[in-house]
Amino acid sequence: QKEVEQNSGPLSVPEGAIASLNCTYSDRGSQSFFWYRQYSGKSPELIMSIYSNGDKEDGRFTAQLNKASQYVSLLIRDSQPSDSATYLCAGGYNKLIFGAGTRLAVHP
Amino acid sequence: DADVTQTPRNRITKTGKRIMLECSQTKGHDRMYWYRQDPGLGLRLIYYSFDVKDINKGEISDGYSVSRQAQAKFSLSLESAIPNQTALYFCATSDLPTSGLTDTQYFGPGTRLTVL
Repeated sequence: QKEVEQNSGPLSVPEGAIASLNCTYSDRGSQSFFWYRQYSGKSPELIMSIYSNGDKEDGRFTAQLNKASQYVSLLIRDSQPSDSATYLCAGGYNKLIFGAGTRLAVHP
Repeated sequence: DADVTQTPRNRITKTGKRIMLECSQTKGHDRMYWYRQDPGLGLRLIYYSFDVKDINKGEISDGYSVSRQAQAKFSLSLESAIPNQTALYFCATSDLPTSGLTDTQYFGPGTRLTVL
C-alpha cells in the first residue's frame, strides 16, 4: 500500500513565526511532489511543486525534498492568519497519493 | 470563468438512487481525475483518465463508474448510492507530464454529496 503520511495537527504558530510542515512517503518510485493548501469546504490549490532533492523557494514558501529519507517538507516564513488552512502533501509517479493533511492555525 | 467546473455543487439523495456528477474543463488538459474526500482521510482517487479512450480504476472504484465523453468532460456515476458514499467529491485535471514527471493537478470547486 503506497502511503503519504502527515501529522494531522493542528500546528499552532504565532503570527510572524516560521511554520514547518512535514510529510513522509512510502513509494520510492515517486518522482513528483506537491504541496496544496485547502481552506475549509474549498478545493485544494497548489502552493509548491518539487521534483529534485534540495530546497525550492517561492516567496514565503520553501519546499524541501530528501528522496533518500523519503521526506518532504514545507516551510512558511512570516506566517499570517490567512495561512491558516489544511496543507496537503502529495507524491507519485503517474498519479498522486495524497496525505490526509496537516491543519495549520496562525494566531495573532 | 473557472477552468474546472463541477455540477451540481451540492446534492442530497436517497439510498439506492443513481447519481451523476459532471466535470468540465477549459484548460485543454488530457488527464482528468475523480477524488473523494472524507474528514481525516484526505483525497482518495476513484477513477482517472489519461485521454478520451483511457479509463483506469483508482484505489476506491467499487460502487462508482465513469464516462469520458470528450477531452473536456469526465462524469462520475454512483449506480446505487449508499450512505457511506456521503463525501466531498473533486474533479481534477493535469497536463501531459514532461520528462516522465507528474504534472500539477488543478481541482474543481467540489460537489458535496449527501446520501440519506
